[in-house]
Amino acid sequence: GAGVSQSPRYKVAKRGQDVALRCDPISGHVSLFWYQQALGQGPEFLTYFQNEAQLDKSGLPSDRFFAERPEGSVSTLKIQRTQQEDSAVYLCASSLWGVLSTDTQYFGPGTRLTVL
Amino acid sequence: ELKVEQNPLFLSMQEGKNYTIYCNYSTTSDRLYWYRQDPGKSLESLFVLLSNGAVKQEGRLMASLDTKARLSTLHITAAVHDLSATYFCAVDAATGRTQGGSEKLVFGKGTKLTVNP
Repeated sequence: GAGVSQSPRYKVAKRGQDVALRCDPISGHVSLFWYQQALGQGPEFLTYFQNEAQLDKSGLPSDRFFAERPEGSVSTLKIQRTQQEDSAVYLCASSLWGVLSTDTQYFGPGTRLTVL
Repeated sequence: ELKVEQNPLFLSMQEGKNYTIYCNYSTTSDRLYWYRQDPGKSLESLFVLLSNGAVKQEGRLMASLDTKARLSTLHITAAVHDLSATYFCAVDAATGRTQGGSEKLVFGKGTKLTVNP
């Protein structure tokens, strides 16, 4: 597609529910990233894939957070037993990678998660 | 641990004026990015800066990088209302690469710019 797409755009969950957030990267992009952006803050790194391999998950805040990219394209971020502090915008980004030193991460519109 | 600090966090300008946003980072990195975010929207890439002394310009915005000082600046010339947005700098946490794409980005808190008529 023309850009990174994410769904749903908005999600309201009751505390304790599980949620799944989807990211469709730009076609052909090797790398995929998830970030969490709290209100009024900069995005914070969660995890990173190169193709289907999850190379860095150091930013996942707890074991309730799980991400996958089984076929090296679409990715899903799953949050189990949601808590109020999980309320944020979840941003997905993708990049071409390869040998380009100017490699840029292109961001999707985000999923705004509200946990009641 | 890489830390990125931006200042100011809030900036109110008059149209036609010039100003500079500063971005300091704490450890060596080989890539620095500037992004723009409009309210309720995602991040739009503005600049990628790779080497010491790099300068890039697009319209009324000019970004520069001093890797020795670990400092990047985003200079706004003759501001117009359309530039009102939040501007983020982001530093790539990976170092020592000879090739390859971007990895984990560490963002500053952002500078919310308001340009008044």
